[in-house]
This record gives sequence, C-alpha cells and structure tokens, in this order.
Amino acid sequence: QVQLVQSGAEVKKPGASVKVSCKASRYTFTNYAMHWVRQAPGQGLEWMGWINVDTGDTKYAQKFQGKVTITRDTSASTAYVELSSLRHEDTAVYYCVRQWSMVTPTLGYWGQGTLVTVSS
Amino acid sequence: QTVVTQEPSFSVSPGGTVTLTCGLSSGSVSTSYYPSWYQQTPGQPPRTLIYSTYTRSSGVPDRFSGSILGNKAALTITGAQADDESDYYCVLYMGGSIWVFGGGTKLTVL
Repeated sequence: QVQLVQSGAEVKKPGASVKVSCKASRYTFTNYAMHWVRQAPGQGLEWMGWINVDTGDTKYAQKFQGKVTITRDTSASTAYVELSSLRHEDTAVYYCVRQWSMVTPTLGYWGQGTLVTVSS
Repeated sequence: QTVVTQEPSFSVSPGGTVTLTCGLSSGSVSTSYYPSWYQQTPGQPPRTLIYSTYTRSSGVPDRFSGSILGNKAALTITGAQADDESDYYCVLYMGGSIWVFGGGTKLTVL
C-alpha cells in the first residue's frame, strides 16, 4: 500500500518561508510524479504544481508561480514544497498527492496533509 | 482562464440516486481530460473515488460510477447512504502538465 507521510504542522510569521516534506514508501519513488494541492480553511482544493520525480522537471499553476518551489530528494524518497513570502492567505492544509500511474495523468494517493498557519 | 464547474450543493434522499457533474466554463469535457473524482469529509484528506473517467479506485463501492454525460464528466451515486454525505471534487487534466480542480459539491443526504 502506497504511503505518503507529511511533516508536521507549522506556524510562521508573515514574510517567512516554509518547507513541507512528503516521505514516500512502499513503491519506487522515481517512477511516479508528485503533485501538491492546497486547501484553505473552509475552501476547496487547488492544484499548485507537480514534479517529475525522475527528472526533477516541475510545472506550477499560474497562481503559484514565483510563490512555490517543488523539489525532491530521490535518495530520501521525499518530495518538498517550499512557500516563500508567506501571507495570511497562505494559511491552509497542504497535501502531497502521488500521480496514479506513469501513463495516467490523474492524482491518486494522498498524504495526510500539513497545516501551515501564517500568523503575526 | 478556463474554470472547472461543479454544482455548489446537492441533496439526495437515502436510497436515492444523484448525479454530480464537472464541466468547463468554455468547451466540453471528454475522456481526454482524464476526469477524476474525490470524496472528502471534514478533517480528512480527500479519498480517490474515480479516475480516468470511469475507473473505480480500489475499495470504492460499485454504487459510485463515473461517466461522460453530454459535455460534462459525471459522478453518479446509486443507493445513497448517510455516510455519502461529503464534499466531492473533480479534477481535470488540461494538458501541458496543468490540472484544475472544480470548486466542489457539498452533498447532503436527507
């Protein structure tokens, strides 16, 4: 069973940065792309971007370009999302989501989510 | 920018059938968008129900089914149960390595 375990909740001040991790196990990490999805309190899901874990290529939703950086460490089977210049509006739960398969461009397996709170 | 549309809310009686849809502000949804559906209850991560239009994820009851209806993707729940009361989201692959979620549908079973 695919497992994605995310890092714990964070509280940050406006203007700071935060890096959330997503450790994958029980599958070959480099064989599947990883996505990041945001959910603000009481709001819907927003696709932020993804990384081709094998090549390191990334693509971001227009809204998050310049705001978000997605990386991975293949030796640690871990993906990361870093958010810079945090604002109160970045308070949200952030999910990593493994792509269903190499050939099927759908989001499949979800991490448990990481709450990032931006508060002065 | 293309918006993915979902009904904000829907209501179904226990045992009834409900169809939620996922459309585009401009154009038609086809299988080429690989529509997928997710169920989310408060405080939990989403659960994948349907992917690539029709395929049920492992462990998902067969009363959940996906399809294309007219120009939209659809999620049909047959024989709704109380624990189907959840938020439902669709996501479409727009091509060019871009995905877009719909705004979600809050389903009430009463």
